[in-house]
Amino acid sequence: SQQGEEDPQALSIQEGENATMNCSYKTSINNLQWYRQNSGRGLVHLILIRSNEREKHSGRLRVTLDTSKKSSSLLITASRAADTASYFCATSSSGGSYIPTFGRGTSLIVHP
Amino acid sequence: DGGITQSPKYLFRKEGQNVTLSCEQNLNHDAMYWYRQDPGQGLRLIYYSQIVNDFQKGDIAEGYSVSREKKESFPLTVTSAQKNPTAFYLCASSTPGQGTGQYFGPGTRLTVT
Repeated sequence: SQQGEEDPQALSIQEGENATMNCSYKTSINNLQWYRQNSGRGLVHLILIRSNEREKHSGRLRVTLDTSKKSSSLLITASRAADTASYFCATSSSGGSYIPTFGRGTSLIVHP
Repeated sequence: DGGITQSPKYLFRKEGQNVTLSCEQNLNHDAMYWYRQDPGQGLRLIYYSQIVNDFQKGDIAEGYSVSREKKESFPLTVTSAQKNPTAFYLCASSTPGQGTGQYFGPGTRLTVT
């Protein structure tokens, strides 16, 4: 099954800076989702972007999707210490099961 | 409040014992899922169910079993046949089909010694 791969594996920034995480995948998708996981907790769904969309916003989050490069990015603007978490991308392949396949995640630390 | 509950949060078992993890949702979702997460890893799908009384194996079903007798409940049994059961287990639910995200429970951390 295909799997998104996040890059970088770890990211450390200061409060107020922007954080950018990338996700690459191998085969055609129907949609791509981003999730956040605080340490020892369940995942929280952030944004879903469909294959015919190029950009979506939600508050301080901006997600882009480039299907020609099979990649997506998650931008968190004006980061806060509370944004410290792991971020996962998950892809649902086109023409197959709708069940998302998760990458290994990017660990983000935001220093106050 | 609508959501997913998993119990217990921490579970300790001796090797060779079966153990059942609970997952309940009141979101009226038809689809439910079980994932396993190991340190520094992504989520791997164990089993999923799209409707009551039906379920399908995921990528790593060996050593696990499930039932879906009620829409709200999807318990996972970790059997003694599972070679490396110590992990963080996450339950999720969604409306089936494309275009929706998954709602996750808080997880159960299972330690087998």
